[in-house]
Amino acid sequence: AQKITQTQPGMFVQEKEAVTLDCTYDTSDPSYGLFWYKQPSSGEMIFLIYQGSYDQQNATEGRYSLNFQKARKSANLVISASQLGDSAMYFCAMRELFSGSARQLTFGSGTQLTVLP
Amino acid sequence: DVKVTQSSRYLVKRTGEKVFLECVQDMDHENMFWYRQDPGLGLRLIYFSYDVKMKEKGDIPEGYSVSREKKERFSLILESASTNQTSMYLCASTLGPARGDTQYFGPGTRLTVL
Repeated sequence: AQKITQTQPGMFVQEKEAVTLDCTYDTSDPSYGLFWYKQPSSGEMIFLIYQGSYDQQNATEGRYSLNFQKARKSANLVISASQLGDSAMYFCAMRELFSGSARQLTFGSGTQLTVLP
Repeated sequence: DVKVTQSSRYLVKRTGEKVFLECVQDMDHENMFWYRQDPGLGLRLIYFSYDVKMKEKGDIPEGYSVSREKKERFSLILESASTNQTSMYLCASTLGPARGDTQYFGPGTRLTVL
């Protein structure tokens, strides 16, 4: 089974609107971390936001917030007030503390976001 | 700010050549990683290192080796490059326990093997 599933290969959003990128995960590890990265066409992988499995509150970083629903095993990224520069590929990733190699990140297949002017 | 640099953004090599990809971080990170990224296959871990001279295989180590002689530098070596090693190579390092051991990536190297 896929550990990280991103079901939206592509998404479009109008500039200044909010958009939600979906991510579901599968783990039996009680301790894990969830990450979102942005990859523009230049190729660099840019860290956006982190959520720990024991964190009580949803993580926020500027215009990015993570809608963490532990029971549903989902960790959706919400981008508010989209900007043209937000157009990029977005990856969800997970690190499991006790399963396999504790240092390894598992990535989803990504969602290509296009912001329309 | 965390800074991870890679020696080249673009590289073109010929089949059979020995190729060195270098990654340097300036934040005294313990852990460093090499990934390759291919369309439809996502990011796959090749090797990682958790200390000087220490290394562990990732998911796809075949055809690659690594070297970490100094803490700040982690090199990926293709002993005899092949066309199926044409890919985007990404290096990462981790800050530590803060933020769940977040991995910070370099700009990537697009390697083409002819």
